Amino acid sequence: DAKTTQPNSMESNEEEPVHLPCNHSTISGTDYIHWYRQLPSQGPEYVIHGLTSNVNNRMASLAIAEDRKSSTLILHRATLRDAAVYYCIPGDSGNTPLVFGKGTRLSVIA
Amino acid sequence: DAGVTQSPTHLIKTRGQQVTLRCSPKSGHDTVSWYQQALGQGPQFIFQYYEEEERQRGNFPDRFSGHQFPNYSSELNVNALLLGDSALYLCASSRTTPPYEQYFGPGTRLTVT
Repeated sequence: DAKTTQPNSMESNEEEPVHLPCNHSTISGTDYIHWYRQLPSQGPEYVIHGLTSNVNNRMASLAIAEDRKSSTLILHRATLRDAAVYYCIPGDSGNTPLVFGKGTRLSVIA
Repeated sequence: DAGVTQSPTHLIKTRGQQVTLRCSPKSGHDTVSWYQQALGQGPQFIFQYYEEEERQRGNFPDRFSGHQFPNYSSELNVNALLLGDSALYLCASSRTTPPYEQYFGPGTRLTVT
């Protein structure tokens, strides 16, 4: 499994953009980059995933470096509801188990 | 759609006892995975069930066992409970066809005293 490095914590003001970085320098050529988040007292929830190209969905954008050794999850306008632990998880696109690290705890200030 | 449901929400057991946790997957999902989340840590994969068989297993002892029923619901059993088994147990369901996102339940908080 590819090792990931994420900041332990980050802070953002409400309605400001947030860039959450992840280093995954040992990622294999076929691994996707998945992002999940876990809100307080809830199970993790899927946010976004990508392989090589940048990806957008209703929740966030994912920017993937050209060498694929790092990626950045972008929340365009943070809300209080976005306060959560964000996990970056390399893995294949199939139905394989997720390998969670410690993630980044995002705090959003009103 | 109720999403993934788990029962019970909380449970307190004594060392040496046995426990059974239950999970109903999201409608349309046929695969169930179980994870253990200790306080302050990310979830750790226990095992995955598909077609009523254990398909993959993480680094957990045989005290942890499971079952999947024909309706895709699943149980996690833990025998001979240890204090270290105290954790949040999460169930996740998914499909074997795209999209593969895993949908998690709210978890069962197990406390072993």
